[in-house]
Amino acid sequence: DTAVSQTPKYLVTQMGNDKSIKCEQNLGHDTMYWYKQDSKKFLKIMFSYNNKELIINETVPNRFSPKSPDKAHLNLHINSLELGDSAVYFCASSQDLAGNEQFFGPGTRLTVL
Amino acid sequence: GEDVEQSLFLSVREGDSSVINCTYTDSSSTYLYWYKQEPGAGLQLLTYIFSNMDMKQDQRLTVLLNKKDKHLSLRIADTQTGDSAIYFCAESARRGYQKVTFGTGTKLQVIP
Repeated sequence: DTAVSQTPKYLVTQMGNDKSIKCEQNLGHDTMYWYKQDSKKFLKIMFSYNNKELIINETVPNRFSPKSPDKAHLNLHINSLELGDSAVYFCASSQDLAGNEQFFGPGTRLTVL
Repeated sequence: GEDVEQSLFLSVREGDSSVINCTYTDSSSTYLYWYKQEPGAGLQLLTYIFSNMDMKQDQRLTVLLNKKDKHLSLRIADTQTGDSAIYFCAESARRGYQKVTFGTGTKLQVIP
């Protein structure tokens, strides 16, 4: 059974478009995260949510808007896509805010043309 | 702010030991982690160590922590081709919540 799943796995789109990436975890965790990994494999946190409440927002442009309809889902909506948004986006979850192990999804490779 | 640095690349022969090094700057780091990322996949936690420990061993993996120098290492004994991956060092500090800062990643290539 997949623990943390993301859709789609690949996303190719034009500059200026709006797109969403979905994430679901079936681990019963309270806390979920979005990370961005650039072409040099540098991984940086974007957001974290705990029980649907925003905890971390790491100076991400407000074109990025996370939405957590329930604690098992954390979706990422991106408006007005730019070339620099091309990256692999990883969703992750942990038991709670103090959880030491984060479980990562397989990633969504976003390419903006 | 927090900063975690690693060398970018390491190449070893199958059967040899690999040592991946990491330095961090945050003196309030409470937990230090090693994650593994295989091609096309997400990160997977290998092991972690509390900052009040200086060593942790788990089968072929040995983690050494020098808190004074803010230096963390991961030793993989008897390295196998299946160990080829990118290894990320990471740190976090208890600030009411866990915010994990990842290093730049070390690509380990195992030569058969």
